[in-house]
Amino acid sequence: NAGVTQTPKFRILKIGQSMTLQCTQDMNHNYMYWYRQDPGMGLKLIYYSVGAGITDKGEVPNGYNVSRSTTEDFPLRLELAAPSQTSVYFCASSFRSGGISGELFFGEGSRLTVL
Amino acid sequence: ILNVEQSPQSLHVQEGDSTNFTCSFPSSNFYALHWYRWETAKSPEALFVMTLNGDEKKKGRISATLNTKEGYSYLYIKGSQPEDSATYLCASLTGKLIFGQGTTLQVKP
Repeated sequence: NAGVTQTPKFRILKIGQSMTLQCTQDMNHNYMYWYRQDPGMGLKLIYYSVGAGITDKGEVPNGYNVSRSTTEDFPLRLELAAPSQTSVYFCASSFRSGGISGELFFGEGSRLTVL
Repeated sequence: ILNVEQSPQSLHVQEGDSTNFTCSFPSSNFYALHWYRWETAKSPEALFVMTLNGDEKKKGRISATLNTKEGYSYLYIKGSQPEDSATYLCASLTGKLIFGQGTTLQVKP
């Protein structure tokens, strides 16, 4: 099993450009998450999904969009990149049953710089 | 408490010292408390998922306790080793899984 795979690992964007961070998991997990890591701030939840076709906002959703058309894939889209979106992005997945989330499995992270 | 808060923010100890950190979280609508270990240039890895008040979990020299009524969890490391150097994150599940800002531990040989 590959686990959680994120692409690209690194990307530099110009202000106003758009891009999609890809995330795929092969563990048949129902829950998937996107977090961003800013220095000294831990992980902030951007969006999450409880299953195919269902997504919800996290703590910092502005400037991002997501979709979940399949169980495996959970892409994160930045429509108009801004310098404030310079960060390291982590995708994660978990199996959640009875309202209790099992441990999260993280991808390797995607470092995005907006200049 | 409205957010997940961890203390201290950073900690420097000598090899062999035992140490502990605190995670405070909202006690209402609580489902679970997660602890993760995050080494530099790697991804976070799960240590514990705790759900019941009074839960105690142990993995080697690392253990954790949970008090859901007052909204806190402690992580203990016995006899710290240089390889324990990492950032330790807790996350509270109350609908969404929200992380604290982490405690960064540096163990000096």
